[in-house]
Amino acid sequence: KAGVTQTPRYLIKTRGQQVTLSCSPISGHRSVSWYQQTPGQGLQFLFEYFSETQRNKGNFPGRFSGRQFSNSRSEMNVSTLELGDSALYLCASRRGFDEKLFFGSGTQLSVL
Amino acid sequence: KNEVEQSPQNLTAQEGEFITINCSYSVGISALHWLQQHPGGGIVSLFMLSSGKKKHGRLIATINIQEKHSSLHITASHPRDSAVYICAVYGGGSQGNLIFGKGTKLSVKP
Repeated sequence: KAGVTQTPRYLIKTRGQQVTLSCSPISGHRSVSWYQQTPGQGLQFLFEYFSETQRNKGNFPGRFSGRQFSNSRSEMNVSTLELGDSALYLCASRRGFDEKLFFGSGTQLSVL
Repeated sequence: KNEVEQSPQNLTAQEGEFITINCSYSVGISALHWLQQHPGGGIVSLFMLSSGKKKHGRLIATINIQEKHSSLHITASHPRDSAVYICAVYGGGSQGNLIFGKGTKLSVKP
């Protein structure tokens, strides 16, 4: 059974650009959540989607957005990139709300 | 004060030792995760629990809802257990908004 797949693995962008990250969940998992990890702030929750609807959102500016498609694949978009957006972005999927999370390997974003 | 506090921040142990990592939280929660992150970034969910105790191999996780405290125990530790262990809770009764601790870096020496 394939795990959670995130693409791309590494990304380099410049300030002001926008970026789209992709996450394919485990087959049968309808929930996809996104997280940002930095050395200073640690892991922080961005948002969660379930059946194409955003169910929860963390405390991030509106430049961070996401969506989920009918096949449960999810994308995260960050517009007008800032240096502080450099981070490891992780997604996770789960079958239901009382089940364990399965994480992808992450996308390492560097903003120059 | 962070809503999720872990202790210790760093832990060095000799192979075979019994290890305990603690997590205290200040928010009302619906469930708690223990996560393991190896160098390179990959995260594995070890346990999700909302009451009592769970065991998987050499790992044991307990939670006391009244005291807002959880512990992760590793019996007969091994160098391959070296990793960062992170406690995360679903705060405010929400089943989605995870709040993370800063993590405990464990190093097990042979």
